[in-house]
Amino acid sequence: DAGVTQSPTHLIKTRGQHVTLRCSPISGHKSVSWYQQVLGQGPQFIFQYYEKEERGRGNFPDRFSARQFPNYSSELNVNALLLGDSALYLCASSLNPEGGTYNEQFFGPGTRLTVL
Amino acid sequence: ILNVEQSPQSLHVQEGDSTNFTCSFPSSNFYALHWYRWETAKSPEALFVMTLNGDEKKKGRISATLNTKEGYSYLYIKGSQPEDSATYLCAFGGAGSYQLTFGKGTKLSVIP
Repeated sequence: DAGVTQSPTHLIKTRGQHVTLRCSPISGHKSVSWYQQVLGQGPQFIFQYYEKEERGRGNFPDRFSARQFPNYSSELNVNALLLGDSALYLCASSLNPEGGTYNEQFFGPGTRLTVL
Repeated sequence: ILNVEQSPQSLHVQEGDSTNFTCSFPSSNFYALHWYRWETAKSPEALFVMTLNGDEKKKGRISATLNTKEGYSYLYIKGSQPEDSATYLCAFGGAGSYQLTFGKGTKLSVIP
């Protein structure tokens, strides 16, 4: 079975632009979480979605938004990009979000975003 | 803001050595503690999810223990091999939350 996939692999944008990152979960997984990982830090939680509904949101500004589609894939959108948004963006899927933070999360390879 | 601390930040060991790392987390509102292995250019891979105080889990040469009352977990690697070289992340999950809070990781390098 295919794991979590993310696209694109790498992306270069300039300040003020908008970006859309995409994630496809493991088949059968209904929950998708997004994380931002900057150099020297651990992944930081941005969002979790389940059945197209937002289940949780981390401490990120409103420039960050996401959505989940009927096929459980997800998009992360970031508006008005800042230099500080340069990071690796990770997507993770899990099987049963009703278990809360007990659920094992399966990560994709990430999208490396560089903002110039 | 939750504080999840991992130590040491990095570690170099000789092949065959055994080693261990520490993850410290809030002892209140605890629900789950995750350990992940993250090799360079790959996706983070789940090692263990632990919930019960005193829990011990093992996968091959890697094992982990959990103390929820004092807020720490240890990850042990017995007889380190070069393929164990990776960053090991722990993540705290609170009750009633869907959010995992990660530590900064411990970067392990195993020297052949």
